[in-house]
Amino acid sequence: DIQMTQSPSSLSASVGDRVAIVCRASQTIYNYLNWYQQKPGGAPRLLVYAASNLQGGVASRFDGSGSGTDFTLIISGLQPEDFGTYYCQQTYKTPRTFGQGTKVEI
Amino acid sequence: EVQLVQSGPEVKKPGESLRISCKGRGYNFLDSWVNWVRQLPGRGPEFMGSIDPFDSNTDYSPSFQGRVTISVDAAITTAYLHWGSLEASDTAIYYCARRNDTKWYAMDVWGQGTAVTVSS
Repeated sequence: DIQMTQSPSSLSASVGDRVAIVCRASQTIYNYLNWYQQKPGGAPRLLVYAASNLQGGVASRFDGSGSGTDFTLIISGLQPEDFGTYYCQQTYKTPRTFGQGTKVEI
Repeated sequence: EVQLVQSGPEVKKPGESLRISCKGRGYNFLDSWVNWVRQLPGRGPEFMGSIDPFDSNTDYSPSFQGRVTISVDAAITTAYLHWGSLEASDTAIYYCARRNDTKWYAMDVWGQGTAVTVSS
């Protein structure tokens, strides 16, 4: 299986901050990398697909980048509604594994 | 509106069988694979497997192969996840999610989740 490792595992930031979450794959996944946001009690929500493509309806302050094995999700101008846990997922090979998550606290 | 609507919470005893469901609405159900994802309490999501509603072809994660069965009834646009014999370690929330092949296989629509509790 392809292992996905996220860092940090948690972070605390203030409204308006720029936040970066890193995801590293154990082998190349080209750009088959997606980012999800999950709030307590809710299902995950797709934010970014194919490493850098914003899902429809997602705020433009979310920005994904990277290719190969190293990827980054940046939130520019953190908003109160951005609290939650963020997961990366590779869809290059099955099983389509997720990272362990990054909890963002405001 | 594109939706996946899952069946309600379940409380079962170890050794019992269970089938939970996921109904697709608002899109051509035959066009997209349906994934099943487990989330243990306090943990991240885990891909369990997926099914193609067009021909019932399945793809299981090795971690779940033989432990669960994924099936589909395309006539009623519903996918299922089945356990023959539950264990306490199956206690989790289970999500279905649509696989969007035009978005690099991302899971773009999710069900609301089904909470399964297995306890004696």
